[in-house]
Amino acid sequence: EPEVTQTPSHQVTQMGQEVILRCVPISNHLYFYWYRQILGQKVEFLVSFYNNEISEKSEIFDDQFSVERPDGSNFTLKIRSTKLEDSAMYFCASDRVMDEQFFGPGTRLTVL
Amino acid sequence: GENVEQHPSTLSVQEGDSAVIKCTYSDSASNYFPWYKQELGKGPQLIIDIRSNVGEKKDQRIAVTLNKTAKHFSLHITETQPEDSAVYFCAASIRRGNEKLTFGTGTRLTIIP
Repeated sequence: EPEVTQTPSHQVTQMGQEVILRCVPISNHLYFYWYRQILGQKVEFLVSFYNNEISEKSEIFDDQFSVERPDGSNFTLKIRSTKLEDSAMYFCASDRVMDEQFFGPGTRLTVL
Repeated sequence: GENVEQHPSTLSVQEGDSAVIKCTYSDSASNYFPWYKQELGKGPQLIIDIRSNVGEKKDQRIAVTLNKTAKHFSLHITETQPEDSAVYFCAASIRRGNEKLTFGTGTRLTIIP
């Protein structure tokens, strides 16, 4: 069964450093998403991406965040200058139009 | 924007009994309500969903009910088994091709053997 994959599974970084989280969505999917889940809290929407541009973004997704689909398979989330409060589990998701949204296993980001 | 509330936050039931988790939503424009199961170390997995033109949907031991007037929906798991132990999230969205999901706070379900 096709699945969304994410790398790395765990990323540790120093405050102020840039991180790139990588995702490979399911190949025939058209919409791509990033969500985050701070430990013990709900899953929160960050951004959606379609046709090589951002469709919608949340208030969390400020100028420190960016997304890119650099080739036909990868979808990345970059945090330019990480803060302590960016520590969370980051989930990538994808779907076809108006269909089930599939989530990846997540990347745990720890900012020290 | 949409706000989804979920109760209870933790639920323990004896194996074989039923479990019910309830959610309310605030945006009357929401028309799609999925339920996700999250096991330790994994991403959320869809277990069942319902659209606003339907009041109830069943899939084997799992059912979801929707009351649009009251803006609440519920997950029912019957004949619970140990493998049902997980965190369950409800979510809501407006089905339009950009499925921004607004999640509830989650329910940790523990099945006691």
